Order: sequence, then C-alpha cells, then structure tokens
Amino acid sequence: EAGVAQSPRYKIIEKRQSVAFWCNPISGHATLYWYQQILGQGPKLLIQFQNNGVVDDSQLPKDRFSAERLKGVDSTLKIQPAKLEDSAVYLCASSRTGPTGELFFGEGSRLTVL
Amino acid sequence: KQEVTQIPAALSVPEGENLVLNCSFTDSAIYNLQWFRQDPGKGLTSLLLIQSSQREQTSGRLNASLDKSSGRSTLYIAASQPGDSATYLCALLFNYGQNFVFGPGTRLSVLP
Repeated sequence: EAGVAQSPRYKIIEKRQSVAFWCNPISGHATLYWYQQILGQGPKLLIQFQNNGVVDDSQLPKDRFSAERLKGVDSTLKIQPAKLEDSAVYLCASSRTGPTGELFFGEGSRLTVL
Repeated sequence: KQEVTQIPAALSVPEGENLVLNCSFTDSAIYNLQWFRQDPGKGLTSLLLIQSSQREQTSGRLNASLDKSSGRSTLYIAASQPGDSATYLCALLFNYGQNFVFGPGTRLSVLP
C-alpha cells in the first residue's frame, strides 16, 4: 500500500511570494489533514477535510493560507503572500476511519522564507 | 484547552538500556492516543495506537501504556539501539474535539 505522498520536499522563497504544496493521501482514506510543524515543536493542525468538505479550519490563517481538496482525493495548500514566520515543515496526514482512526503522515514539505 | 506535555525534552542513554518516555495530558476524556517517531528531516511514523478502552499496546521492543485517571501515557523501549535515536511524539484525540493534539516531543539519543 502506497503511503501519503507530498511534493515538493523543499521550497525556498522570498517573503511576499506565493507557494503551493500538494498531497495525495493513502487510497481509501476519507480524512485528510494539513499540519504545520515549526522546529522543536509538535505539529499544529491547519485544516482537516472529511472527503471534500472542511471539518476544522479554525487555526488556518485565512488571510494568507488556503486549501482545497477537490474530488475528495488529493489536496493543495497555498500560502500567499508568505511571511518569514511561515518557515516550517508542512505535513500532510490521512486516516481511514474518520477522526478516530490512526494517522499516517507523509514526508513533509520544508518551506524556507527569506 | 487540552494541553499535552512531554518531559524530558531530550534524553541520552547508552545502548542496551531500557527506557521510558512520558506523555502527560490535562483532560482524561480521550478517544485514543498515538505514539510517533520522527527522524530528522522526515515525517512522522506511527508506532502504536491505544484506544480509550485499552490500557496498553505492544509492538516488538515497544510497549505503550495509558492511564487516563492520572493523565499519563508512557512509551517503554526495551534494549535500546542507536537506530532508536529520533524524536518521539505523542498525540491525543479528545472526545469533544475532532483533531489530534500533539506534544512537543522527546529527542532521544542512544549512544553506541
């Protein structure tokens, strides 16, 4: 069974530029999560999808971050315009049986904003 | 607000030692608890998942326990090896939330 796929693995941009990250969850997993992990801290949830609907986006900075999950499969997270404090690893995770299911993570996308 | 803490933040042990990592939480109403391992520059790898009705789970040299009344979970690693060096994180799903809350992790170094 293929794992959670993410791209790109690394991205370096100037502040005020835009960036997009892509995630393809494990086949059959209805729930998809985007987390932000700052160095030395645990992951913080940005947004949670159930199929193609948003379950929780309360911690997503909506003035600059957006995410979509068309057709209930893969997802894209966008940042525009980026700030220095957005430098972090963006992790995508999925689970099979909804919010009580086991989480599986991708390798992450490391963003550096200069 | 649910809080999850992991103490110590870092731990160094000689190879072969048995060790315990701690995860503490302020709210005992949980659905499940999951332990992860994270290697530098990598994503999180699931180690063990404990459902609310369970007390412990075992996988190889790993054993995780859950004591909701004391707000504590422990991850026991037997006969540690240098390959166990990584950051270990716990994550909890609380009853009245719909997303996992993560601890900050414990960075483990096993010295040969």
